[in-house]
Amino acid sequence: GIQVEQSPPDLILQEGANSTLRCNFSDSVNNLQWFHQNPWGQLINLFYIPSGTKQNGRLSATTVATERYSLLYISSSQTTDSGVYFCAVYTGTASKLTFGTGTRLQVTL
Amino acid sequence: DTAVSQTPKYLVTQMGNDKSIKCEQNLGHDTMYWYKQDSKKFLKIMFSYNNKELIINETVPNRFSPKSPDKAHLNLHINSLELGDSAVYFCASSQHGAGDSQEQFFGPGTRLTVL
Repeated sequence: GIQVEQSPPDLILQEGANSTLRCNFSDSVNNLQWFHQNPWGQLINLFYIPSGTKQNGRLSATTVATERYSLLYISSSQTTDSGVYFCAVYTGTASKLTFGTGTRLQVTL
Repeated sequence: DTAVSQTPKYLVTQMGNDKSIKCEQNLGHDTMYWYKQDSKKFLKIMFSYNNKELIINETVPNRFSPKSPDKAHLNLHINSLELGDSAVYFCASSQHGAGDSQEQFFGPGTRLTVL
């Protein structure tokens, strides 16, 4: 099956710093989602992005499907950005998401 | 308004017991899912139902039995619970038919602890 790798696995930032999280996938995908799992465990939808670039406030995402990667940019990070960031991909005809390995982000004061 | 809700939020039980987790979505979606998140935070799909029909069953022990009474509800029943079943179980839903790939929305999760 498809492999979805995220990097870095762990990231510590000072508040106000910028960061880029990467998601690589091993096969063609139909679509891709980015999620933030907050410290309370809730999975929050960030982006639904099969290709191109989308922006939402301090966050933006870019997917280059032909090169099998997606990037999540976080600018001016805040402590509330802490948590685990997952990318997840749709493949083939099955209506299922295959999740990446996650990036654990800690934003400190 | 809660879009995808699950009950209970926490479930602590003894090995060998049978338990159920309920999920409801008020988004009018056609498809619902169960995912399992293990202790290392890895998320993996278990089941998917489209309009009450099972469309995905991912090598899950048959102690796990999903049931969809209608397209707004998908419950998960687990028989003879084992220590390894301890995990967080997430329900999700999306608006599409089988074979499409529409955005999925997740419930708050149910943390199951088997003692």
